[in-house]
Amino acid sequence: QKEVEQDPGPLSVPEGAIVSLNCTYSNSAFQYFMWYRQYSRKGPELLMYTYSSGNKEDGRFTAQVDKSSKYISLFIRDSQPSDSATYLCAMSEGFQKLVFGTGTRLLVSP
Amino acid sequence: SAVISQKPSRDICQRGTSLTIQCQVDSQVTMMFWYRQQPGQSLTLIATANQGSEATYESGFVIDKFPISRPNLTFSTLTVSNMSPEDSSIYLCSVEDDTSPTYEQYFGPGTRLTVT
Repeated sequence: QKEVEQDPGPLSVPEGAIVSLNCTYSNSAFQYFMWYRQYSRKGPELLMYTYSSGNKEDGRFTAQVDKSSKYISLFIRDSQPSDSATYLCAMSEGFQKLVFGTGTRLLVSP
Repeated sequence: SAVISQKPSRDICQRGTSLTIQCQVDSQVTMMFWYRQQPGQSLTLIATANQGSEATYESGFVIDKFPISRPNLTFSTLTVSNMSPEDSSIYLCSVEDDTSPTYEQYFGPGTRLTVT
């Protein structure tokens, strides 16, 4: 079993939809949770960073962490075609070593 | 956040040869990391490079295959040695933000390697 599980998609939605991206994990020691966005042929770009459980909002993006269920989510409101990318969840016990999911490919159609 | 560049951006190499990938950062950073991203798989940490000391390798990765240099606080290289088609992958360097209390990691654009 992988430490971090993420549905590879693709997830296809129409413009303006609310998108929900999710990851589950098995290591209860993970404390730091991140979402990266990766456009085709580009490096991952840090989107959201949360510590421990709870919610964090930044513009159209909301990250949720439920440590009791070992489940994290990223919500995108009013999705745009420019949001079409692969979204990677990542987590760590402390600093430095990140463990990534395989990424979910999101397609937002106009 | 730091601006990270990598050279080359892509290369096609023959099996048995070696390729050195460069990573340059526009600010001084303590920790640099090298990852591999294979098709359909998650990013996997190869090693951590701390300036002035030997790189620390993750399980499954060895120095003879992936030698790393870290000569100063803004630069690192990763060499993929004696390449085989299984080494075809995207190689990414990342840096830890020393100025942030939570030490986020930022990634370079990657080097796309194809071994024939």
